Amino acid sequence: QKEVEQDPGPLSVPEGAIVSLNCTYSNSAFQYFMWYRQYSRKGPELLMYTYSSGNKEDGRFTAQVDKSSKYISLFIRDSQPSDSATYLCAMSALGNYQLIWGAGTKLIIKP
Amino acid sequence: ETGVTQTPRHLVMGMTNKKSLKCEQHLGHNAMYWYKQSAKKPLELMFVYSLEERVENNSVPSRFSPECPNSSHLFLHLHTLQPEDSALYLCASSQEPANTGELFFGEGSRLTVL
Repeated sequence: QKEVEQDPGPLSVPEGAIVSLNCTYSNSAFQYFMWYRQYSRKGPELLMYTYSSGNKEDGRFTAQVDKSSKYISLFIRDSQPSDSATYLCAMSALGNYQLIWGAGTKLIIKP
Repeated sequence: ETGVTQTPRHLVMGMTNKKSLKCEQHLGHNAMYWYKQSAKKPLELMFVYSLEERVENNSVPSRFSPECPNSSHLFLHLHTLQPEDSALYLCASSQEPANTGELFFGEGSRLTVL
């Protein structure tokens, strides 16, 4: 079993839709949860960072962590064609700087 | 130049060649990383340097040899590679090796081994 599972997609939705991207994990020691966005031919860039459980909102993006279910989500409201990219989840445990990554979900927003 | 810069962006090499990837960060960070990204696979951490000292080597084959001459520069020396080493090699930096995940990545070097 992989430590972090992420559906590779592609996930294709029309412009303006609400997008839900998800990762599940198996290690209950994970405390830090991140979402990175990677455009084609570019390196990943940090989008959202959450510590422990709960929600975090930044503009059209909301990150949600449910540690009891070992499940994290990224919601994108009012999706735009410019949101088309691969979204990578990553997580780490307290005192361990090594990030464990999902394989990424490719998102396509159709105009 | 700003951020993290990687050269070359594309590299094709034979299995007997020797080449090097270069990374330079302009962010004043103390930690630098090499990652390997293969299609549909999670990022694989290869090496971590903190203040020019290697702090992590994730069982990477010896045909990959890192070098960190100072906190702004990182190299990955390649020799006698295998076709399965073809991938995107990403360099990243951070303020320190930290689990908050705030890594800044370069655009990557796309390596093809023939």
